[in-house]
Amino acid sequence: NAGVTQTPKFQVLKTGQSMTLQCAQDMNHNSMYWYRQDPGMGLRLIYYSASEGTTDKGEVPNGYNVSRLNKREFSLRLESAAPSQTSVYFCASSEGGQDGYTFGSGTRLTVV
Amino acid sequence: QKEVEQNSGPLSVPEGAIASLNCTYSDRGSQSFFWYRQYSGKSPELIMFIYSNGDKEDGRFTAQLNKASQYVSLLIRDSQPSDSATYLCAVNTVGNKLVFGAGTILRVKS
Repeated sequence: NAGVTQTPKFQVLKTGQSMTLQCAQDMNHNSMYWYRQDPGMGLRLIYYSASEGTTDKGEVPNGYNVSRLNKREFSLRLESAAPSQTSVYFCASSEGGQDGYTFGSGTRLTVV
Repeated sequence: QKEVEQNSGPLSVPEGAIASLNCTYSDRGSQSFFWYRQYSGKSPELIMFIYSNGDKEDGRFTAQLNKASQYVSLLIRDSQPSDSATYLCAVNTVGNKLVFGAGTILRVKS
């Protein structure tokens, strides 16, 4: 049982390059989320998808786009990477209630 | 004012002591609350969920909730070096979105 799988685990980009972070869950959860984590800032919500076919902005959506490809997969795209997007990115899924979120292992992204 | 506030620490306790971690939140309408543990370089993992005022115990962990004071706490009894981690408080908001505090670093000294 893999849970939530994120790829890649590490990435270095040059300013202006684009990339897509992939996330897949095998728990049949309806909701999926992308967070970024920066030192001293905690986890901040970038985008979320309450169900297949819907996406909404979170607290810090600028510079990002998302696609909910199907119930399992939720990708995050950086169209033109900036050094301010250097961070650790976590994908999570949830069915609500007391089980909270299940997180992927994270992607450590550095933009130079 | 941040929606969820935690003392960043580090909080240092000796092995075997009780560690007390605190969290306050601003949205009086919040109904459910979570504590996550995050080891360095790893992803957060859920350790406690609470939604009723009072205490909830699970093994060495006790979560305490006071909605009138907008305050959630986590007590770790008989602290072990393996408890050394960052503890994240999270509050559930509209649309099942979790808002996280910045986390408290706990160090348990053997």
